[in-house]
Amino acid sequence: GQNIDQPTEMTATEGAIVQINCTYQTSGFNGLFWYQQHAGEAPTFLSYNVLDGLEEKGRFSSFLSRSKGYSYLLLKELQMKDSASYLCAVSRGNTPLVFGKGTRLSVIA
Amino acid sequence: GAVVSQHPSWVICKSGTSVKIECRSLDFQATTMFWYRQFPKQSLMLMATSNEGSKATYEQGVEKDKFLINHASLTLSTLTVTSAHPEDSSFYICSAQWVNSYEQYFGPGTRLTVT
Repeated sequence: GQNIDQPTEMTATEGAIVQINCTYQTSGFNGLFWYQQHAGEAPTFLSYNVLDGLEEKGRFSSFLSRSKGYSYLLLKELQMKDSASYLCAVSRGNTPLVFGKGTRLSVIA
Repeated sequence: GAVVSQHPSWVICKSGTSVKIECRSLDFQATTMFWYRQFPKQSLMLMATSNEGSKATYEQGVEKDKFLINHASLTLSTLTVTSAHPEDSSFYICSAQWVNSYEQYFGPGTRLTVT
């Protein structure tokens, strides 16, 4: 079966750093995506990791360890607008992405 | 970046009627389109995978006769909710993928309310 785990909710303070973890067990692996979804809106692409290591893109970074079945999304200098759900999704090639249930992040002043 | 549109963005219909939702890839040819449903505060649930020119593949528990999917061209897929009931009220999101890419580009979603 396919299993992707993320924390359900997290709270962090404006200006701080937060790390959202994702562990996965899937039959096949062809990369891991992170999406951001604001309430009532569709997901938007944040990052894609297929090799081990850290990918940095502005305030957001994503890390992957394929041997551990583990990824995290790191958000720096948090802003209020970062309050959203963050979805971890695994690609298995030419099959639909398998999504985790999402982590709802609340940024507080 | 790739753009996917959905129409309508929201719709209210009466119980027992049918509603059609369109999903278009505006600047690329989508070999595969996916339809998701999302209830409040829950994650995306894949309903079906649609490949151009062939029958859609439905996920377990999704009634293919109730949720009709047509993918007649490389830029358009439609989802028709037939004989809608209040429990079908949800946020329906499509995504599109093109050959040689593993990324999915999401449409803005359609909020369906059945009264």
